[in-house]
Amino acid sequence: GAVVSQHPSRVICKSGTSVKIECRSLDFQATTMFWYRQFPKQSLMLMATSNEGSKATYEQGVEKDKFLINHASLTLSTLTVTSAHPEDSSFYICSASAGAAYEQYFGPGTRLTVT
Amino acid sequence: AQSVTQLGSHVSVSEGALVLLRCNYSSSVPPYLFWYVQYPNQGLQLLLKYTSAATLVKGINGFEAEFKKSETSFHLTKPSAHMSDAAEYFCAVSKTGGGNKLTFGTGTQLKVEL
Repeated sequence: GAVVSQHPSRVICKSGTSVKIECRSLDFQATTMFWYRQFPKQSLMLMATSNEGSKATYEQGVEKDKFLINHASLTLSTLTVTSAHPEDSSFYICSASAGAAYEQYFGPGTRLTVT
Repeated sequence: AQSVTQLGSHVSVSEGALVLLRCNYSSSVPPYLFWYVQYPNQGLQLLLKYTSAATLVKGINGFEAEFKKSETSFHLTKPSAHMSDAAEYFCAVSKTGGGNKLTFGTGTQLKVEL
């Protein structure tokens, strides 16, 4: 099956700093990438959908200025959490798809801890 | 709008027993339905999916699910539980083949006991 990687797998940052998370599709071209957030013992909440070369579409309630998403190529999307605060601590998971009719493949997730 | 309800946030079975995880959906269009498994601190792995073909869908690791339109259900089953099946399971619905927005249920934690 297709492989999606995320980097870093874990990151600890201080409050007020920014952190970037990378999501890569390793063996296919991902026209669409999704970013999810998962709190402990809870389900995945879609944050935004990004299509290569265009602006991301954010879900209601997600601050686009705080969670910057870039999908500059067909194999890479980045999520930057700007001015992070402890409440941003969470498990962030990306997924990638070759298109609406195709399967969505998930990355292994990134554990963000803001101190 | 689409939604998924998973009944039972925790299910416990004995090793070798039947696994039944429940999922009911709501969709204004013919749905595409998915079951994913998540092991601790990992991403999601697709177990199986229903995409309007056969109503009984077989997936990996011996799991299967049956789409029942009249009951708006897509329950996940496995005849004989194994210790390695212990994980979190999510049911999800989409309007298309899965490369589109997925709406997830709240998840069911499966515990397998000796």
